[in-house]
Amino acid sequence: NAGVTQTPKFQVLKTGQSMTLQCAQDMNHEYMSWYRQDPGMGLRLIHYSVGAGITDQGEVPNGYNVSRSTTEDFPLRLLSAAPSQTSVYFCASSYEDSTEKLFFGSGTQLSVL
Amino acid sequence: GNSVTQMEGPVTLSEEAFLTINCTYTATGYPSLFWYVQYPGEGLQLLLKATKADDKGSNKGFEATYRKETTSFHLEKGSVQVSDSAVYFCALSTGANSKLTFGKGITLSVRP
Repeated sequence: NAGVTQTPKFQVLKTGQSMTLQCAQDMNHEYMSWYRQDPGMGLRLIHYSVGAGITDQGEVPNGYNVSRSTTEDFPLRLLSAAPSQTSVYFCASSYEDSTEKLFFGSGTQLSVL
Repeated sequence: GNSVTQMEGPVTLSEEAFLTINCTYTATGYPSLFWYVQYPGEGLQLLLKATKADDKGSNKGFEATYRKETTSFHLEKGSVQVSDSAVYFCALSTGANSKLTFGKGITLSVRP
């Protein structure tokens, strides 16, 4: 049972480049979300999805796009990377809309130069 | 809005020492409270939780009591081990769309 899988683990981008952070879960979870973790600021919610075809914004959505075409996958897209997006990104999922049953991936460390 | 405040870190302790990590919160409504732990190179894992006032969450020797009167959820362990070295996050949820509000996190290092 792989749980929540994030790729890549590390990435370096130049300002203005685009990329997609991948997140996949094999637990048939309806709810998925993306957080970013910055030093001294804890984790902040970027976007979330309550099921295939449904997404919504979290606390810090600017500069990020998401889509949810399947239950398993929830990619996070940076269309034009900025240094302010240097962070560690975590994907999370749960079977139902309950914070008590969230599973987190191991994270993607992104640096934007 | 919701917010979580954790004590400043990092914290370094010797093995078998007593641990307290302070956490206070501000929330609308009646939040559920959580402690998450992040071991090196891994994602976050739920350590314990409490869903209403005076509830005590416990797991792996860690405990935290939901104190509504002081809006606190301090984490304690009577005797820490080297394997407890990790980053600890306090968090809350008011139940809407599984959104968690996290504290800044604190790094705990335990020396043999």
